[in-house]
Amino acid sequence: EDQVTQSPEALRLQEGESSSLNCSYTVSGLRGLFWYRQDPGKGPEFLFTLYSAGEEKEKERLKATLTKKESFLHITAPKPEDSATYLCAVRDSSASKIIFGSGTRLSIRP
Amino acid sequence: NAGVTQTPKFRVLKTGQSMTLLCAQDMNHEYMYWYRQDPGMGLRLIHYSVGEGTTAKGEVPDGYNVSRLKKQNFLLGLESAAPSQTSVYFCASSYAGTNTGELFFGEGSRLTVL
Repeated sequence: EDQVTQSPEALRLQEGESSSLNCSYTVSGLRGLFWYRQDPGKGPEFLFTLYSAGEEKEKERLKATLTKKESFLHITAPKPEDSATYLCAVRDSSASKIIFGSGTRLSIRP
Repeated sequence: NAGVTQTPKFRVLKTGQSMTLLCAQDMNHEYMYWYRQDPGMGLRLIHYSVGEGTTAKGEVPDGYNVSRLKKQNFLLGLESAAPSQTSVYFCASSYAGTNTGELFFGEGSRLTVL
């Protein structure tokens, strides 16, 4: 059964304090790993797609990396506006279902 | 462009009542999905559709039915609502034939079952 586990559940950082969020997965035939950002009361918003181990993607202060068993979302020198829940998801070999993890609530204090 | 629109945004039901959530997308997407989001549980896939007239079960399909009679619409029905179905429901859509994984989400529908 496909499974996505994210850690930690919540993370509080000081502005400028870099850290990483973890997403570990088990899926039959990974067809893509995805990161989303979700603000309170809103639907998730797409950030990145990673397809193969060793791949990296960057967007502003965020950098996503992928290994054969997990992905990391690195956040460098975060700002308060980076506060949100970050969701990891995988697409299985059928290529039609996308399964999400439970997310990491990130809070950045000024 | 409206993107993905969900109606209603809020609804309160009594146990045993029925209702339908409507999702409409104007991006000509083939794939559409219904998820529910509960605290600490993340997004769980209820049902999905890979094209007009097709539907398939996701992770938590029990108690729900869906229909995709038109390409732009995906309906989620609750025939006999239960308190366990209190949740925020999100509809999403995506292109077919690509593996970008970019789902476009609606703003959510908050359902409370008393």
